[in-house]
Amino acid sequence: DAGVIQSPRHEVTEMGQEVTLRCKPISGHNSLFWYRQTMMRGLELLIYFNNNVPIDDSGMPEDRFSAKMPNASFSTLKIQPSEPRDSAVYFCASRSGQSNQPQHFGDGTRLSIL
Amino acid sequence: AQSVSQHNHHVILSEAASLELGCNYSYGGTVNLFWYVQYPGQHLQLLLKYFSGDPLVKGIKGFEAEFIKSKFSFNLRKPSVQWSDTAEYFCAVNWGGKLIFGQGTELSVKP
Repeated sequence: DAGVIQSPRHEVTEMGQEVTLRCKPISGHNSLFWYRQTMMRGLELLIYFNNNVPIDDSGMPEDRFSAKMPNASFSTLKIQPSEPRDSAVYFCASRSGQSNQPQHFGDGTRLSIL
Repeated sequence: AQSVSQHNHHVILSEAASLELGCNYSYGGTVNLFWYVQYPGQHLQLLLKYFSGDPLVKGIKGFEAEFIKSKFSFNLRKPSVQWSDTAEYFCAVNWGGKLIFGQGTELSVKP
Protein backbone atom coordinates (compact mmCIF):
# COMPACT_ATOMS: atom_id res chain seq x y z
CA ASP A 1 0.00 0.00 0.00
CA ALA A 2 1.31 3.43 -0.86
CA GLY A 3 1.30 5.72 2.11
CA VAL A 4 0.88 9.46 2.15
CA ILE A 5 3.24 10.91 -0.43
CA GLN A 6 4.75 14.34 -0.04
CA SER A 7 6.97 16.31 -2.35
CA PRO A 8 9.52 17.66 -2.37
CA ARG A 9 11.35 15.98 0.52
CA HIS A 10 13.65 18.95 0.91
CA GLU A 11 13.34 22.53 -0.26
CA VAL A 12 15.85 25.30 0.15
CA THR A 13 14.93 28.72 -1.17
CA GLU A 14 15.52 32.39 -0.54
CA MET A 15 13.15 34.53 1.41
CA GLY A 16 10.50 36.21 -0.67
CA GLN A 17 10.13 33.26 -3.00
CA GLU A 18 6.92 31.31 -3.39
CA VAL A 19 7.01 27.78 -1.98
CA THR A 20 4.55 25.04 -2.89
CA LEU A 21 4.37 21.79 -0.95
CA ARG A 22 2.42 18.87 -2.32
CA CYS A 23 0.61 15.95 -0.79
CA LYS A 24 -1.10 12.86 -2.11
CA PRO A 25 -3.21 11.18 0.57
CA ILE A 26 -3.81 7.47 0.84
CA SER A 27 -6.40 6.40 -1.69
CA GLY A 28 -9.85 6.27 -0.15
CA HIS A 29 -9.02 8.54 2.76
CA ASN A 30 -11.44 11.43 3.02
CA SER A 31 -9.65 13.70 5.47
CA LEU A 32 -6.35 15.46 4.97
CA PHE A 33 -4.25 17.43 7.45
CA TRP A 34 -1.28 19.78 7.15
CA TYR A 35 1.08 20.12 10.11
CA ARG A 36 4.20 22.13 10.81
CA GLN A 37 6.91 20.86 13.16
CA THR A 38 9.62 23.02 14.71
CA MET A 39 11.85 22.65 17.72
CA MET A 40 10.33 25.67 19.39
CA ARG A 41 6.64 25.04 18.78
CA GLY A 42 6.44 21.29 18.32
CA LEU A 43 3.76 19.86 16.06
CA GLU A 44 1.10 22.35 14.98
CA LEU A 45 -2.00 21.67 12.92
CA LEU A 46 -2.28 24.26 10.17
CA ILE A 47 -5.43 23.21 8.34
CA TYR A 48 -7.54 20.17 7.61
CA PHE A 49 -9.97 19.11 4.92
CA ASN A 50 -12.90 16.71 4.93
CA ASN A 51 -14.02 15.53 1.50
CA ASN A 52 -11.85 18.23 -0.10
CA VAL A 53 -13.51 21.02 1.88
CA PRO A 54 -11.45 23.07 4.38
CA ILE A 55 -12.95 22.54 7.82
CA ASP A 56 -10.58 24.30 10.18
CA ASP A 57 -7.83 26.69 9.09
CA SER A 58 -7.40 28.37 12.44
CA GLY A 59 -3.83 27.13 12.63
CA MET A 60 -2.72 28.85 9.44
CA PRO A 61 -0.27 31.42 10.76
CA GLU A 62 -0.76 34.27 8.29
CA ASP A 63 -2.28 35.23 4.99
CA ARG A 64 1.00 34.26 3.39
CA PHE A 65 -0.09 30.65 3.89
CA SER A 66 -2.78 29.06 1.75
CA ALA A 67 -3.90 25.49 1.16
CA LYS A 68 -6.04 23.89 -1.49
CA MET A 69 -7.47 20.47 -2.16
CA PRO A 70 -8.80 20.47 -5.72
CA ASN A 71 -9.62 16.76 -5.63
CA ALA A 72 -9.53 13.76 -3.33
CA SER A 73 -6.02 12.75 -4.32
CA PHE A 74 -4.07 15.99 -4.14
CA SER A 75 -3.46 18.94 -1.88
CA THR A 76 -1.04 21.85 -1.85
CA LEU A 77 0.26 24.16 0.85
CA LYS A 78 1.61 27.42 -0.49
CA ILE A 79 3.69 30.09 1.20
CA GLN A 80 3.98 33.40 -0.59
CA PRO A 81 6.17 35.26 0.16
CA SER A 82 8.30 32.94 2.27
CA GLU A 83 10.26 34.12 5.32
CA PRO A 84 13.12 32.52 7.29
CA ARG A 85 10.78 31.84 10.23
CA ASP A 86 8.76 29.53 7.97
CA SER A 87 11.65 27.06 8.06
CA ALA A 88 10.29 23.81 9.47
CA VAL A 89 9.27 20.30 8.57
CA TYR A 90 5.80 20.24 7.05
CA PHE A 91 3.83 17.01 7.36
CA CYS A 92 0.73 15.93 5.57
CA ALA A 93 -1.52 13.26 7.05
CA SER A 94 -4.68 11.54 5.89
CA ARG A 95 -7.44 9.60 7.57
CA SER A 96 -10.31 7.42 6.48
CA GLY A 97 -13.79 7.10 7.88
CA GLN A 98 -14.81 8.48 11.22
CA SER A 99 -12.90 11.13 13.10
CA ASN A 100 -11.79 8.68 15.77
CA GLN A 101 -9.62 6.78 13.30
CA PRO A 102 -5.84 7.30 13.37
CA GLN A 103 -4.09 9.61 10.97
CA HIS A 104 -1.36 8.35 8.66
CA PHE A 105 1.58 10.68 8.10
CA GLY A 106 3.78 11.34 5.11
CA ASP A 107 7.56 11.63 5.31
CA GLY A 108 7.39 15.41 5.44
CA THR A 109 9.00 18.26 3.56
CA ARG A 110 12.00 19.87 5.22
CA LEU A 111 11.79 23.52 4.26
CA SER A 112 14.67 25.95 4.71
CA ILE A 113 14.18 29.62 3.89
CA LEU A 114 17.45 31.51 3.66
CA ALA B 1 -10.58 23.69 24.66
CA GLN B 2 -8.74 20.42 24.83
CA SER B 3 -5.04 20.34 25.58
CA VAL B 4 -2.50 17.57 26.07
CA SER B 5 0.46 17.68 28.43
CA GLN B 6 3.50 15.47 28.34
CA HIS B 7 5.47 16.19 31.45
CA ASN B 8 8.75 14.63 30.45
CA HIS B 9 10.58 16.54 27.75
CA HIS B 10 13.64 14.32 27.59
CA VAL B 11 14.10 10.90 29.15
CA ILE B 12 17.40 9.05 29.15
CA LEU B 13 17.44 5.34 29.96
CA SER B 14 19.79 2.43 29.71
CA GLU B 15 18.82 -0.62 27.71
CA ALA B 16 16.53 -3.03 29.57
CA ALA B 17 15.23 -0.30 31.85
CA SER B 18 11.49 0.14 32.19
CA LEU B 19 9.78 3.09 30.60
CA GLU B 20 6.78 5.16 31.56
CA LEU B 21 5.93 8.38 29.73
CA GLY B 22 3.23 10.59 31.16
CA CYS B 23 0.33 12.06 29.20
CA ASN B 24 -2.59 14.06 30.57
CA TYR B 25 -5.42 15.71 28.73
CA SER B 26 -7.58 18.50 30.01
CA TYR B 27 -11.17 17.85 28.97
CA GLY B 28 -13.17 14.82 30.02
CA GLY B 29 -16.01 13.00 28.43
CA THR B 30 -15.60 10.50 25.63
CA VAL B 31 -12.09 10.64 24.28
CA ASN B 32 -10.05 8.79 21.70
CA LEU B 33 -6.37 8.69 22.59
CA PHE B 34 -3.27 7.89 20.59
CA TRP B 35 0.45 7.49 20.99
CA TYR B 36 2.66 8.16 18.00
CA VAL B 37 6.41 7.60 17.65
CA GLN B 38 8.79 9.56 15.46
CA TYR B 39 12.17 7.94 14.82
CA PRO B 40 15.00 10.34 13.93
CA GLY B 41 14.41 11.89 10.54
CA GLN B 42 11.19 9.99 9.96
CA HIS B 43 7.47 10.64 10.02
CA LEU B 44 5.07 9.92 12.85
CA GLN B 45 3.88 6.34 13.15
CA LEU B 46 1.00 5.06 15.22
CA LEU B 47 2.05 3.05 18.28
CA LEU B 48 -1.35 2.38 19.79
CA LYS B 49 -4.82 3.83 20.23
CA TYR B 50 -7.65 3.77 22.72
CA PHE B 51 -11.29 4.10 21.71
CA SER B 52 -13.30 2.29 24.35
CA GLY B 53 -13.41 -0.91 26.38
CA ASP B 54 -10.35 -2.33 28.10
CA PRO B 55 -8.38 0.64 29.44
CA LEU B 56 -5.11 -1.25 29.01
CA VAL B 57 -4.17 -1.02 25.37
CA LYS B 58 -1.37 -2.98 23.76
CA GLY B 59 0.45 -1.62 20.75
CA ILE B 60 3.33 -2.49 18.51
CA LYS B 61 6.90 -3.22 19.60
CA GLY B 62 5.92 -4.19 23.15
CA PHE B 63 4.41 -0.85 24.10
CA GLU B 64 1.23 -0.51 26.10
CA ALA B 65 -0.76 2.36 27.57
CA GLU B 66 -3.32 2.62 30.32
CA PHE B 67 -6.30 4.94 30.15
CA ILE B 68 -7.28 6.21 33.60
CA LYS B 69 -10.37 8.33 33.19
CA SER B 70 -10.38 9.68 36.73
CA LYS B 71 -6.86 11.02 36.25
CA PHE B 72 -7.33 12.20 32.66
CA SER B 73 -4.22 10.21 31.86
CA PHE B 74 -2.97 7.88 29.16
CA ASN B 75 0.57 6.91 30.12
CA LEU B 76 2.79 4.90 27.82
CA ARG B 77 4.81 1.99 29.18
CA LYS B 78 7.33 -0.57 28.09
CA PRO B 79 8.87 -3.06 30.52
CA SER B 80 12.30 -3.20 28.85
CA VAL B 81 13.51 -0.62 26.35
CA GLN B 82 15.97 -1.19 23.54
CA TRP B 83 18.41 1.15 21.86
CA SER B 84 16.13 1.10 18.81
CA ASP B 85 13.37 2.74 20.88
CA THR B 86 15.32 5.99 20.75
CA ALA B 87 12.78 8.38 19.26
CA GLU B 88 10.33 11.12 20.06
CA TYR B 89 6.95 10.07 21.43
CA PHE B 90 3.76 12.06 21.03
CA CYS B 91 0.51 11.64 22.87
CA ALA B 92 -2.63 12.91 21.10
CA VAL B 93 -6.35 13.18 21.73
CA ASN B 94 -9.07 13.38 19.11
CA TRP B 95 -10.96 16.64 19.51
CA GLY B 96 -13.58 17.92 17.10
CA GLY B 97 -12.28 15.74 14.31
CA LYS B 98 -8.66 16.74 14.67
CA LEU B 99 -5.77 15.54 16.79
CA ILE B 100 -4.43 17.65 19.60
CA PHE B 101 -0.82 16.67 20.22
CA GLY B 102 1.32 16.99 23.30
CA GLN B 103 4.69 18.64 22.95
CA GLY B 104 6.46 15.32 22.69
CA THR B 105 8.94 13.40 24.83
CA GLU B 106 12.36 12.63 23.49
CA LEU B 107 13.59 9.22 24.61
CA SER B 108 17.28 8.40 24.43
CA VAL B 109 18.27 4.81 25.17
CA LYS B 110 21.92 4.17 25.95
CA PRO B 111 23.30 0.84 24.75
